[in-house]
Amino acid sequence: QSALNQPASQSGSPGQSITISCTGTSSDVGSYNLVSWYQHHPGKAPKFIIYGDTERPSGVSDRFSGSKSGNTASLTISGLQAEDEADYYCCSYTRSGTYVFGTGTKVTVL
Amino acid sequence: EVQLVQSGAEVKKPGESLRISCKGSGYTFTIYWITWVRQMPGKGLEWMGRIDPSDSYTNYSPSFEGHVTISVDKSISTAYLQWSSLKASDTAMYYCARQDNGMDVWGQGTTVTVSS
Repeated sequence: QSALNQPASQSGSPGQSITISCTGTSSDVGSYNLVSWYQHHPGKAPKFIIYGDTERPSGVSDRFSGSKSGNTASLTISGLQAEDEADYYCCSYTRSGTYVFGTGTKVTVL
Repeated sequence: EVQLVQSGAEVKKPGESLRISCKGSGYTFTIYWITWVRQMPGKGLEWMGRIDPSDSYTNYSPSFEGHVTISVDKSISTAYLQWSSLKASDTAMYYCARQDNGMDVWGQGTTVTVSS
């Protein structure tokens, strides 16, 4: 199965909002409400920030929000902060009973 | 505190075997699947496979099936990822994660270096 497609990079100034897309197929993203998102600072373990397409785990900033339309999920980071500079990955359950990650997006805070 | 603690960094030669571990604590280990994730140098995260600690049922990504084996010893709350014959291309960081609605708790990662 192929990785979900994400833009390689995205940038924004502090305080701005950015949206990262995650495009899959009807066999993964479009089939279930099971897209999750992860923030990954190099050298650290990934951090779980969205599950079930739109749900935010306890303790995660409400500046992070998820949405989905058809085969494309999205992560929006509002009020961009320097600490948000990281790599972001989507992940979806698939009809094969496995999971697949996105290609990853490097977010730069200008 | 809920945590997953992974075994330390490994340096191996091509053809050697290896097993790395992931020990859970602070929760009922058999309730949640354990997933393994690979990150090759300079590359993205890849979902390798997962195991249900309650019955050792596994499923693997097609990209990894037959190349690695995931196992568990629930008596010591530990999951394993193993290779029978390493290749240089297995050089990577490997993470374990607890699979609930998403991968909500992660280990600190184990670096595996395979070099002659």
